Amino acid sequence: KQEVTQIPAALSVPEGENLVLNCSFTDSAIYNLQWFRQDPGKGLTSLLLIQSSQREQTSGRLNASLDKSSGRSTLYIAASQPGDSATYLCAVLYNQGGKLIFGQGTELSVKP
Amino acid sequence: NAGVTQTPKFQVLKTGQSMTLQCAQDMNHNSMYWYRQDPGMGLRLIYYSASEGTTDKGEVPNGYNVSRLNKREFSLRLESAAPSQTSVYFCASSELDRASYEQYFGPGTRLTVT
Repeated sequence: KQEVTQIPAALSVPEGENLVLNCSFTDSAIYNLQWFRQDPGKGLTSLLLIQSSQREQTSGRLNASLDKSSGRSTLYIAASQPGDSATYLCAVLYNQGGKLIFGQGTELSVKP
Repeated sequence: NAGVTQTPKFQVLKTGQSMTLQCAQDMNHNSMYWYRQDPGMGLRLIYYSASEGTTDKGEVPNGYNVSRLNKREFSLRLESAAPSQTSVYFCASSELDRASYEQYFGPGTRLTVT
């Protein structure tokens, strides 16, 4: 069964810290992997998408890496800010135009 | 360019009532999806439409029906609502854009069934 797991479920850090969120998937035959951000009571905002042929993607203070062979992706957030507080979701696409399989998310709190 | 829009934003139903959740996208995407999000369960796919005129079941289709009205619109219908269908419902769309199939999500509909 294709499953996506995110650890930890919740994380609290002081402002300014660099942090890493983890995502693992059971089937390495992925098409792509997406990281989303979800604010309380809101929809999902796409942060980064990594194709199966790529090793990493960067956007501002965010860097996502992909290691298909080990079934892992990490989202690195540099110099965290209180505005980064949200739930971060990892999702894997196995087929073109198909269904995303989501992890349960990591709830991040950045304290001023 | 509004992206993906959903109506209504909130809804309260009594058990047995029916309703339709509406979704529209203005990005000319071929594929559209309906997910539900529940605490502790994450997001799960209900139905999807790979292209206009086609629909397929996802992980949790029981109790729902869908209609791909045209390329822009994809609706989700609850024929006889049950408390187990209390959830937040998200619509999404995607397209082959530089081979990415990146999915874009709407703001969600928060449904309570009493």
